[in-house]
Amino acid sequence: AQSVTQLGSHVSVSEGALVLLRCNYSSSVPPYLFWYVQYPNQGLQLLLKYTSAATLVKGINGFEAEFKKSETSFHLTKPSAHMSDAAEYFCAVSEILGGGFKTIFGAGTRLFVKA
Amino acid sequence: GAGVSQSPRYKVAKRGQDVALRCDPISGHVSLFWYQQALGQGPEFLTYFQNEAQLDKSGLPSDRFFAERPEGSVSTLKIQRTQQEDSAVYLCASSSHRDTTTEAFFGQGTRLTVV
Repeated sequence: AQSVTQLGSHVSVSEGALVLLRCNYSSSVPPYLFWYVQYPNQGLQLLLKYTSAATLVKGINGFEAEFKKSETSFHLTKPSAHMSDAAEYFCAVSEILGGGFKTIFGAGTRLFVKA
Repeated sequence: GAGVSQSPRYKVAKRGQDVALRCDPISGHVSLFWYQQALGQGPEFLTYFQNEAQLDKSGLPSDRFFAERPEGSVSTLKIQRTQQEDSAVYLCASSSHRDTTTEAFFGQGTRLTVV
């Protein structure tokens, strides 16, 4: 079974500082990986996804993630944090089911941004 | 519709009461998923439909939970004889394709509180 592990349940950065949210995956086949963001009382919104086309993936709101097979990692970064980035971030992997698929989520990392 | 719609947004149930949670997916979306998100946790997979067929229900925690999607569009998640441990946010998501590279679009969720 495929899985993802997010390192750090909480990350705090100052406004303007680098954001780094860590995710490692476990997969026996080439994975399809995603980062989602969840704002309070909202559903999940896709930030970006890796589907083997390019190892560096750019997403919305200035976020990007790099797929590193040798490290089984898919860390999310943003060069300069903004107050509006404060939210919960989930790394996820798609797992094939018979006839379909499902998305497996990590436990999430809550990002705090200090003024 | 423009997005995935879930109703009600909030539900308070007395222990032992039956509840029904509704999901209206994006029109034309083939795949529909239900997830359970406990406080401070990532979404946990419950069940998956492809059109009206329930292809996977391995995540349903007990036989008190069942889901249906009789016409391949609207889905209902029913919980019988609710228990306090059922308190969580129930998220519905839909996707336009059957393959793993396509992201799922999430509704805002139904927050169920069992008292």
